[in-house]
Amino acid sequence: DAGITQSPRHKVTETGTPVTLRCHQTENHRYMYWYRQDPGHGLRLIHYSYGVKDTDKGEVSDGYSVSRSKTEDFLLTLESATSSQTSVYFCAITGGSGADTQYFGPGTRLTVL
Amino acid sequence: GEDVEQSLFLSVREGDSSVINCTYTDSSSTYLYWYKQEPGAGLQLLTYIFSNMDMKQDQRLTVLLNKKDKHLSLRIADTQTGDSAIYFCAEKLDTGTASKLTFGTGTRLQVTL
Repeated sequence: DAGITQSPRHKVTETGTPVTLRCHQTENHRYMYWYRQDPGHGLRLIHYSYGVKDTDKGEVSDGYSVSRSKTEDFLLTLESATSSQTSVYFCAITGGSGADTQYFGPGTRLTVL
Repeated sequence: GEDVEQSLFLSVREGDSSVINCTYTDSSSTYLYWYKQEPGAGLQLLTYIFSNMDMKQDQRLTVLLNKKDKHLSLRIADTQTGDSAIYFCAEKLDTGTASKLTFGTGTRLQVTL
């Protein structure tokens, strides 16, 4: 398994509160991604990073921000959580060469009440 | 945006072959992937195929790519109960700064005795 961990693994929070999810990798990979998984939608890209302090938006970035101050950590923040952000969040990493396969973390299940 | 389509559900008997289909829309895709997701887990890469190939075989898995029709399939020979999972196809899109994957909605494979 690729060395990717996510924390927390489960979180229940209330509408309007800030939430930060952490993705940590030990592979020294350049690229990191945040996805959300919802029934009927597969995985959708929220934000991604192509290096320290280099990030860009994905297709569903509204309501989310990210930061990457170190190669190994990529943080996803919900500034003010809403019920529509209840989902399972996955982090992925890739080295950026060849087949460029993305390897996924175990996921964080977030429930916003 | 690009769409990747999959049928939602497939049921097969143990020992039979399973064929999971996927259609994609971006003719410039360079790689196409198959991922497996077991309940409560992240996505596990099964295999991938480069766009200039027609077929790739890996033990019980056979990937067929019809680039003209933008059709990808995954055949699992001698399907076992441990193959029960959700299977996602994904296409790789190069954006210049990072490779992004567009995922299908997933096909739930149920293996019956």
